[in-house]
This record gives sequence, structure tokens and C-alpha cells, in this order.
Amino acid sequence: QQQVKQSPQSLIVQKGGISIINCAYENTAFDYFPWYQQFPGKGPALLIAIRPDVSEKKEGRFTISFNKSAKQFSLHIMDSQPGDSATYFCAARPFSGGYNKLIFGAGTRLAVHP
Amino acid sequence: DAGVTQSPTHLIKTRGQQVTLRCSPKSGHDTVSWYQQALGQGPQFIFQYYEEEERQRGNFPDRFSGHQFPNYSSELNVNALLLGDSALYLCASSLDAGVGRGTQYFGPGTRLLVL
Repeated sequence: QQQVKQSPQSLIVQKGGISIINCAYENTAFDYFPWYQQFPGKGPALLIAIRPDVSEKKEGRFTISFNKSAKQFSLHIMDSQPGDSATYFCAARPFSGGYNKLIFGAGTRLAVHP
Repeated sequence: DAGVTQSPTHLIKTRGQQVTLRCSPKSGHDTVSWYQQALGQGPQFIFQYYEEEERQRGNFPDRFSGHQFPNYSSELNVNALLLGDSALYLCASSLDAGVGRGTQYFGPGTRLLVL
């Protein structure tokens, strides 16, 4: 069964700190790993994405680290700000027959305290 | 450039009723996917439409059906509503051109409450 497991379920970080969210996948080859940010009452918004031939991708304060052998990937938010408080979802797209279907983790609710 | 739009924003129905949700994709996008997001959970893939055909379907019963129009907009229909159908229904559009690899952009969703 295709699954993406995300942890932690919730995270509290002080302003200026580093937020780290982890995801792991199993059993199926995926070729694309996006992270989405969702604010209450809104749809998910694409934050950053990585492909498995790259071990790290950085965009501003957001970095994805990817470990293909361990089937794990993580999101790091540097210098976390109160405005980053949201729910974050990792996702993965199956390599074969996926037709752009995304499989999401359960989400991490991040609260950044001032 | 308008992003993905969905209507209505909120909807209340009773068990056994039928509901239709609508989605207009981002300009230039040709593919629409629908997801169900239960409270506190990640989105779950329902199905995807490309060239007015259902291209792939997730693990959802036949009560869930859809349609894509020539202008690429789409509808999601749910028949015989159950309490468990209460969720945020998300539409995502992408430019796939048949390749199936475009980035998905989500709309704000329709919040459905079944009483």
C-alpha cells in the first residue's frame, strides 16, 4: 500500500528557531516530493518540491533534505516566524501509473511563538 | 491571473441527499484533480480528469462521480450522502498535456457538512 508517514503531528517553535518536519515513504517508487503549506480556511499552497536525484533543495528560509536510501525526506524552516504558523503537508507522486496523483502525509501543525 | 476557484465555499446537506461541487482551473491548465480532506487529515485523492475523461481514481465508492467540461472546468458529484462525507473538498489543477507531471495548484476548497 502506498503510504507517506509524517511526523511530528504538532510542533511548537520559538521565533527565530528551526522547525523540522519529517516524512518517510515505503513500498513504492516516487518521483516527486512536494511540500504544501495550509492556513486555516484555505487550500494547500505549494511551498517547495524536490526530485529524488537531488539530496537537498533550498528556497529562502525553506530547505528540503532528501535521503533516497532511507526513503526519508524532511522540511527545515530556518529563522521561523509567527507568520509560518500553519499546517504543513508532505506529499509524494508515484513514478509509474501515477498520472499526477499525490499521496499526502497526515500533516504537521506548526505554531511559532513570538 | 485568477488561480483555482471553487464554488460554493460552504454547503450543508442532509444524509441521503446529492451534492455538486464546482471547480474552475488556473488559466492554461488542462487537468483537474479532486481531493477529500477530512478534519485534521491530509488530502485524499478522489479522481483526476483530463480531456473530459476520468484518468485515474482513488479508493472512493461509485457515489463519487465527476465531469470535466470542454473549458476544463470540472464538477464533483456525491450521491446518497453519508455523515462521513463531511469534509473539505479540494480541487487542484495542473498543466499536464497528457504527460501527467505538472505541478498541482489547489483551490480554497468547499466545506461540506452532512447532517
